[in-house]
Amino acid sequence: EDQVTQSPEALRLQEGESSSLNCSYTVSGLRGLFWYRQDPGKGPEFLFTLYSAGEEKEKERLKATLTKKESFLHITAPKPEDSATYLCAVQTGGYNKLIFGAGTRLAVHP
Amino acid sequence: EAGVTQSPTHLIKTRGQQVTLRCSPISGHTSVYWYQQALGLGLQFLLWYDEGEERNRGNFPPRFSGRQFPNYSSELNVNALELEDSALYLCASSLAVRGFNEKLFFGSGTQLSVL
Repeated sequence: EDQVTQSPEALRLQEGESSSLNCSYTVSGLRGLFWYRQDPGKGPEFLFTLYSAGEEKEKERLKATLTKKESFLHITAPKPEDSATYLCAVQTGGYNKLIFGAGTRLAVHP
Repeated sequence: EAGVTQSPTHLIKTRGQQVTLRCSPISGHTSVYWYQQALGLGLQFLLWYDEGEERNRGNFPPRFSGRQFPNYSSELNVNALELEDSALYLCASSLAVRGFNEKLFFGSGTQLSVL
């Protein structure tokens, strides 16, 4: 069965303290891995898509990487406005169904 | 450009009742997805509509159903509500490109509470 696991469930950082979020997956045929950001009371907002092992993408303080079994979202020198829940999702095979992990709740304190 | 809009934003129902949630996709998007986000759980895939047809369905009972209209807007219907149906229901839209969508654009959701 296809599965996505995110860790840690929650992470508290001081402003400027870099860290990484993990997304491990077990799927039959990865077509793409997606990272989303979700703020309280809002829908998820797209961040990145990664397609193959070794691929990396960056946006401001965020950098996503992909291996054959997991993806990391690296946050460099985070700011309080980076506080949110970060969701990882994978697309396998066909039928356009994204399988989401439970997310990592990130809190960045000044 | 307007994003994905959902209505209503909040809804309170009692067990056994029926509810209809509505979604308008981004202009030009033909695919609409419905997800359920229960407290403490990840997003669970409910339904995918494209060009007016149901293309895929998640592991939910038949009392969850929906449709897509010619203008690509969509409704999600839930019959015989149960307490565990309490959740945030999210609608997303995308451009359907040969069966693989680059990214989904989500609305802010409808928070359904079943008492």
